[in-house]
Formats: sequence, structure tokens, C-alpha cells
Amino acid sequence: DVKVTQSSRYLVKRTGEKVFLECVQDMDHENMFWYRQDPGLGLRLIYFSYDVKMKEKGDIPEGYSVSREKKERFSLILESASTNQTSMYLCASSPNSGGYYNEQFFGPGTRLTVL
Amino acid sequence: GQQVMQIPQYQHVQEGEDFTTYCNSSTTLSNIQWYKQRPGGHPVFLIQLVKSGEVKKQKRLTFQFGEAKKNSSLHITATQTTDVGTYFCAGPHSNTGKLIFGQGTTLQVKP
Repeated sequence: DVKVTQSSRYLVKRTGEKVFLECVQDMDHENMFWYRQDPGLGLRLIYFSYDVKMKEKGDIPEGYSVSREKKERFSLILESASTNQTSMYLCASSPNSGGYYNEQFFGPGTRLTVL
Repeated sequence: GQQVMQIPQYQHVQEGEDFTTYCNSSTTLSNIQWYKQRPGGHPVFLIQLVKSGEVKKQKRLTFQFGEAKKNSSLHITATQTTDVGTYFCAGPHSNTGKLIFGQGTTLQVKP
């Protein structure tokens, strides 16, 4: 079974702090994604990566950056956390077969609260 | 921009009743995927439909992809309390291939 793990289930940070959210997948998937989930807004894509050291902006990249130094690991960075970044963050991975259309496997999520 | 809309946003049913959620895209989709998220859980892939007019069944769940490949539905027959959760549809953006998720339909089942 594909396993996607995230470094924390719950995280509380203060405004202005730098926050790192880590995601690791064990199925050698090429594609990895970071979403945030807010009530009534569904899943919104922040960033994704289709290869090591490659990254592309999603729909809401402002205030975030990412890093993918190894194939299995995709990190989301909040350079200076703000209260409007309080949310559930979900990481996902998918295999690559000519596109990004394949099913995505999600991690358990990190619920981040910024005070 | 390209959008994927789902209705209804919420649905409360009595156990044993049927349930349907509808997904509509502003553009033609190459495929549509459905995910289920249990309360407190993460989205889990259910199925992918690719062909125009395709119908697939998983036990009490029936998935349809419209003839024009712009809409889809998920129908649950005789709901059970284990069906509780939020159901998302998702389709790839026509240019980038990134998945665009609908807002989800949250199903509550009263025993």
C-alpha cells in the first residue's frame, strides 16, 4: 500500500514564525502536491512538484514556498506565518504516466493553527 | 478560469435512503475522479471515469460520467452510517493537467 506521511498531525505556531511541513511518500511517485483545505472551499492546490528540484505554483502559492531535494520528500514552508494560514494542510503523491491525471494518495493532514 | 462545481454542499438522509451528488465542470474533462473523506480523515481515491457515458459500480455506489464529459454523478443506494463523509469530484485542468477539486458534498446519515 502507498503510504504518505506528514510530520505532524497538529501544529500551533505564532504569527511571524517560519513553519516547515514535511511530507514523505514511500512509493517512488514522481508527483507530489500540497493542498490546503478550508470549510466550504474544498481542496486548493498550493504547489506541486513533478520531479526532484522541480516545482510549480498551484492556485494559491502566495505566502508559501516548497522544497524537493529528494524524490520521496516534499516540504512546504511558510516563510512568515500569518493567522489566515490557519488551515488543514494535505500532502498527496501520484505516479506519473504521461501526465498529472492519476489518482492521488493523500497523507493524514496537518492541522496548523497560527496565533 | 476552469471550475468544478458540486451540489448539494450538504445532505442529510435517513439510513436506508438513497443519495446522489452531482459534479459539473465548466469545460470538457478528459477524466473525472471521485474521492471520499471520512470525518477527521483524509481524501481517499474511489474511482476514475474516462469514457463518455461511462457507468461504474462499486457495491452500492454508482458513478456516471456524462456524455459530454462535463458532468458526473455519484449515487449511493440504501445509505448506511458507514457512508458518512465528504465526497469530492476532481477533474484535470485542460491546459496544466492539475486536478481541480469540487467543493465536496458532505453526507450525514441518521440511523
